[in-house]
Amino acid sequence: GESVGLHLPTLSVQEGDNSIINCAYSNSASDYFIWYKQESGKGPQFIIDIRSNMDKRQGQRVTVLLNKTVKHLSLQIAATQPGDSAVYFCAENYGGSQGNLIFGKGTKLSVKP
Amino acid sequence: DTGVSQDPRHKITKRGQNVTFRCDPISEHNRLYWYRQTLGQGPEFLTYFQNEAQLEKSRLLSDRFSAERPKGSFSTLEIQRTEQGDSAMYLCASRPPQGTSPLHFGNGTRLTVT
Repeated sequence: GESVGLHLPTLSVQEGDNSIINCAYSNSASDYFIWYKQESGKGPQFIIDIRSNMDKRQGQRVTVLLNKTVKHLSLQIAATQPGDSAVYFCAENYGGSQGNLIFGKGTKLSVKP
Repeated sequence: DTGVSQDPRHKITKRGQNVTFRCDPISEHNRLYWYRQTLGQGPEFLTYFQNEAQLEKSRLLSDRFSAERPKGSFSTLEIQRTEQGDSAMYLCASRPPQGTSPLHFGNGTRLTVT
């Protein structure tokens, strides 16, 4: 079936470097995408979202890029900090406003001091 | 901060027992979702309520699982005759009434079936 997946299961970066986490999605009808951060023992925490009519959106230290042509989503974290260490999930919204989110498997980000 | 609240945080039960989890969504959110997450995996959709109506159920939700939201506020998820394969984190999330927006998740209930 169609699913959201990630290219890399783990990513290790040096503190202060930029991080890029990638995600491939396969459902062309998905209209909304979200990145979540999940720390151990906690629920997913919203980071940033983007609608399908956009290709870039920036937040505080984070940028999401959407390439609908190749069905690719990425999360860029600037000046990565130890507190950014977590598992990151991309999720796609399928079914419009009454739909639910479909999650990928996640990428574990480790930040080395 | 009145986020999504789940109770209990942890539950250990013996195989064959019934368990019930509770979720209190953000008060103005009429849409409520249950997800299941196993170790190393992303959350998997189980079911969705709009107010008190259960509008969608995943095929993951076997006959042993039942969810309710009787007054359109809190929700319960019951698992009957638990199996070891039910061990997982059960996450609840809620969403505002209109439009497409992020789901706000609680911190989950960790179920261990021995």
